[in-house]
Amino acid sequence: GAVVSQHPSWVICKSGTSVKIECRSLDFQATTMFWYRQFPKQSLMLMATSNEGSKATYEQGVEKDKFLINHASLTLSTLTVTSAHPEDSSFYICSAAGTEGYNSPLHFGNGTRLTVT
Amino acid sequence: AQSVAQPEDQVNVAEGNPLTVKCTYSVSGNPYLFWYVQYPNRGLQFLLKYITGDNLVKGSYGFEAEFNKSQTSFHLKKPSALVSDSALYFCAVRALYNDYKLSFGAGTTVTVRA
Repeated sequence: GAVVSQHPSWVICKSGTSVKIECRSLDFQATTMFWYRQFPKQSLMLMATSNEGSKATYEQGVEKDKFLINHASLTLSTLTVTSAHPEDSSFYICSAAGTEGYNSPLHFGNGTRLTVT
Repeated sequence: AQSVAQPEDQVNVAEGNPLTVKCTYSVSGNPYLFWYVQYPNRGLQFLLKYITGDNLVKGSYGFEAEFNKSQTSFHLKKPSALVSDSALYFCAVRALYNDYKLSFGAGTTVTVRA
C-alpha cells in the first residue's frame, strides 16, 4: 500500500515552454503533498507544501509564479514549471502524507528528471 | 527549529562487514525520526522510524537504528552489508506534531565493495 505515482519519469523540453508534473496517491488519500528539488548527490530542497483545496505554501526563495502547484483532489497534485529555462533542469520529487497520523512516514514518488534545452 | 546532521558524506565498507551511517538531530521536544534510502534516479524509500518505545528499531532489508536521546543520535546500522545496499541514505526528523513536514540531512553515500 501507500503508493505514490509520479509522471513523467523524465522530460526534455525547450527553453520557454511549460512542463507539468503529476503526483498521484494511488491507494490512499493524501491530505498534504510536498514538492522537492534535488541536485546531483545532494539533499532534497523543499519547494512547497500542497494541501488539497487550498493554495500551496512556498518556501523562501521559490518563485510561486514560476512553479505553479495545484492540489485539486485528495489524490492528485501537479507542479507546472512555467517558461522553463536551462537552470530549471533538475530532479523533482513529490511526497504525500496519508491519514495515518504524524508518526507515519511520507510516501515518495519516483521523481521526474527535467532537462531544459 | 528542527535539523538533522549526517556528518559523513561517504561511507565505504566491504561486503559482509557491518555498516553504520551516522545521524544526529536537533529539535524542541520529542522527535519523530526516519531513515530513507534513494537509488539513482529514483524517489526515496522508507526504511524505518523511531516514534517512541524501544530505542532499537528494526526496519526493511535488515536495517536497524538506535535512538540515543542523550547523544541526540539515530544511527543506521546493518550487521552485514551487501553490494546492493550501495545507495544514498537520508535521515529525517519531524518535530511539530501538527505538521507533516520532514527536515532531511544532507545524505550519506554508501558504497559496498564486493
